[in-house]
Amino acid sequence: EDQVTQSPEALRLQEGESSSLNCSYTVSGLRGLFWYRQDPGKGPEFLFTLYSAGEEKEKERLKATLTKKESFLHITAPKPEDSATYLCAVRRANFGNEKLTFGTGTRLTIIP
Amino acid sequence: DGGITQSPKYLFRKEGQNVTLSCEQNLNHDAMYWYRQDPGQGLRLIYYSQIVNDFQKGDIAEGYSVSREKKESFPLTVTSAQKNPTAFYLCASSIGETGIEQYFGPGTRLTVT
Repeated sequence: EDQVTQSPEALRLQEGESSSLNCSYTVSGLRGLFWYRQDPGKGPEFLFTLYSAGEEKEKERLKATLTKKESFLHITAPKPEDSATYLCAVRRANFGNEKLTFGTGTRLTIIP
Repeated sequence: DGGITQSPKYLFRKEGQNVTLSCEQNLNHDAMYWYRQDPGQGLRLIYYSQIVNDFQKGDIAEGYSVSREKKESFPLTVTSAQKNPTAFYLCASSIGETGIEQYFGPGTRLTVT
């Protein structure tokens, strides 16, 4: 069974204090690993897809990296507007298997 | 504006009543999905559909039903057989095999008392 574990559950940072969120996964053949941002009471917003170990993607203050067992979401010099819950998900490589397995998320708070 | 719409944003029902949640997309995506989100749990897949007139059960399909009569629409019915229907329901869509990212709608919060 596919599993995704995110840590920490919650993280409070001062504005400008860089840090990383972790997503550990086990999946039988990885088709893709996804990062989403979710604000309270809203649907998840797509951020990145990573397909293979060693891949990196960046968007503004966010950088996602992938190894064979985990992914990191690095946040550089965060601002209060980066406060949100960040979700990680994986999709297995089977053809026709559309299912995403999600972690429970990391709730990030950036203090001004 | 292309996107996914869900209505209503908030829905209140009495126990024993069936309720239908709407999901519409104008992204021309082939695949559509329904997830349920509960506090402290990851999103869980209820049903998904890869093409019109076809759909598959996800991990927690019991007490739910769907239809896919049009490419743009994928309504979810929460029946009285669903034991714990109060939750945040999210609809998503993806292009299909050429694009595996799923894009989410704004969600419907259902409260059953």
